[in-house]
Amino acid sequence: DGGITQSPKYLFRKEGQNVTLSCEQNLNHDAMYWYRQDPGQGLRLIYYSQIVNDFQKGDIAEGYSVSREKKESFPLTVTSAQKNPTAFYLCASSIGQNYGYTFGSGTRLTVV
Amino acid sequence: SQKIEQNSEALNIQEGKTATLTCNYTNYSPAYLQWYRQDPGRGPVFLLLIRENEKEKRKERLKVTFDTTLKQSLFHITASQPADSATYLCALMDTGRRALTFGSGTRLQVQP
Repeated sequence: DGGITQSPKYLFRKEGQNVTLSCEQNLNHDAMYWYRQDPGQGLRLIYYSQIVNDFQKGDIAEGYSVSREKKESFPLTVTSAQKNPTAFYLCASSIGQNYGYTFGSGTRLTVV
Repeated sequence: SQKIEQNSEALNIQEGKTATLTCNYTNYSPAYLQWYRQDPGRGPVFLLLIRENEKEKRKERLKVTFDTTLKQSLFHITASQPADSATYLCALMDTGRRALTFGSGTRLQVQP
């Protein structure tokens, strides 16, 4: 079955640590996205990528970094510069413009 | 400033009735608008897409309208069922942008 897989489901980060969230898709989608969701709020765009080896900042990119070395993979690194990283992180992919997004099941990141 | 507004109060209705959810936007020129369903702790699931030149779209018990003059989309679920209980998110693709912007969602509770 085709889909988009995020791992881990839960992640705990100590202050000052960098952590990387995995996102893998086997849908052959060109575009991939990272969103952050805080309780009771909508999704906010962190980074997105339309093609391999190219990505753009979203609305809240500060303190985050990404790479897109393979079509299937779009990992997100939450750096120590992100002051309030506790949130639910969602990865999505789409065939392209004018199509719905397929979302993963999310990673819940907590700073301890 | 740009805003996407969905009713933050939960909508409670009786099983069998029609649920109507509202999405209003300010200072956007959307090429199209989408609706998603999100269950607690899960990623959103794509439901419907409606383009700026379309007035109405239907899929089974779902209907979406899009009024670019009023800057509003309405999402209807007819013959609602308890299984329809979830949070519903609207999202729009602003002209010149290449990723969706999401509203904060409205929680629907269908009582048996």
